[in-house]
Amino acid sequence: SQQGEEDPQALSIQEGENATMNCSYKTSINNLQWYRQNSGRGLVHLILIRSNEREKHSGRLRVTLDTSKKSSSLLITASRAADTASYFCATDARETSGSRLTFGEGTQLTVNP
Amino acid sequence: DTEVTQTPKHLVMGMTNKKSLKCEQHMGHRAMYWYKQKAKKPPELMFVYSYEKLSINESVPSRFSPECPNSSLLNLHLHALQPEDSALYLCASSSLWDRFHEQYFGPGTRLTVT
Repeated sequence: SQQGEEDPQALSIQEGENATMNCSYKTSINNLQWYRQNSGRGLVHLILIRSNEREKHSGRLRVTLDTSKKSSSLLITASRAADTASYFCATDARETSGSRLTFGEGTQLTVNP
Repeated sequence: DTEVTQTPKHLVMGMTNKKSLKCEQHMGHRAMYWYKQKAKKPPELMFVYSYEKLSINESVPSRFSPECPNSSLLNLHLHALQPEDSALYLCASSSLWDRFHEQYFGPGTRLTVT
């Protein structure tokens, strides 16, 4: 079952603007990850934030995590047309047998040139 | 090499056919995963292999049969599928060294059941 909800479901912005996507989840987590998926392709890992971290940066990406509210946000700054894709958050309730990722419903981001 | 490969890219099969999907990685990862993804929906976990042993089966119907012949290969055997099984099937792998590793995904196999 999918425990994550993402907001908004779809986002359309102009090149150069910032894009913010939000994710909420329901259970305890070991870490939370964000992935990008171009249409009909595999997922690409963007960033992982541990449950004891509040903020993390990677290039133009900024992720925050609020475990008390069970929510996370992904900010993409200075967006480019190439950022057009679906973005998924995934909570990782890691077990000894490997990670069990549960994906949110995703946000479809369109960056217009 | 940080690539996960999947074959075939596309597969069309009838409901009485038997086919297999293949996945390969050479990153030394000891956890491998199968996901199913329907259009405009998130991936859903099907199976997890840990050290070549099936560790998680998310109540997947028996018409899907996974196999992990060695640490680099993962197969998904398909038999007597239904049209609703048409989807993108994604393979992924990850390290088991510690608790904070991402998964690496292959490009997927687009399956159509007629």
